[in-house]
Amino acid sequence: QKEVEQDPGPLSVPEGAIVSLNCTYSNSAFQYFMWYRQYSRKGPELLMYTYSSGNKEDGRFTAQVDKSSKYISLFIRDSQPSDSATYLCAMSDLWSSGNTGKLIFGQGTTLQVKP
Amino acid sequence: GAGVSQSPSNKVTEKGKDVELRCDPISGHTALYWYRQSLGQGLEFLIYFQGNSAPDKSGLPSDRFSAERTGGSVSTLTIQRTQQEDSAVYLCASSLGGGVDTQYFGPGTRLTVL
Repeated sequence: QKEVEQDPGPLSVPEGAIVSLNCTYSNSAFQYFMWYRQYSRKGPELLMYTYSSGNKEDGRFTAQVDKSSKYISLFIRDSQPSDSATYLCAMSDLWSSGNTGKLIFGQGTTLQVKP
Repeated sequence: GAGVSQSPSNKVTEKGKDVELRCDPISGHTALYWYRQSLGQGLEFLIYFQGNSAPDKSGLPSDRFSAERTGGSVSTLTIQRTQQEDSAVYLCASSLGGGVDTQYFGPGTRLTVL
């Protein structure tokens, strides 16, 4: 079993829909949780970053972390065709990794927003 | 400013050949990471550099894989005697100092082993 599980999709939604993307994980030592967006043939770019449990909002994006359930989510409101991309969750355990910051990624969910 | 650059963008090689992949990190970034993204898989950590040292090589899949970094800048990932299972996109990322600093990714090198 992988440390981080993410449904690969694809997920197809109409423009304007609310999108929910999720990851589960097994390592309770993870403290830092990130969402990256990756367009086709490009490198991932950081979207959201959360430390420990709680919510974080940035414009149309909201990240949620529930450490008790080992579950993280990314919500996209008023989705746009330009949001069509692969969304990767990533996690880090700084203490056991020796503060390297190495990231453990989910498989990525491919999202298509149709006009 | 300039981001992370990688070369070549695409590499096709024959099984058994050696390949070298290059990464130019953002200037001033001391931390550098290599990841591998196989078809339908998330990114898999390979190696971490802090300066020219590699304190974490735990993700290198076999002794055919090696990497070095010189001048605290450019890094080269070398794969010897390539196998078909090495086919993947190899991504490089750099961050200011490692730890919680944001990792900025390059566009990757798409390696195909025939």
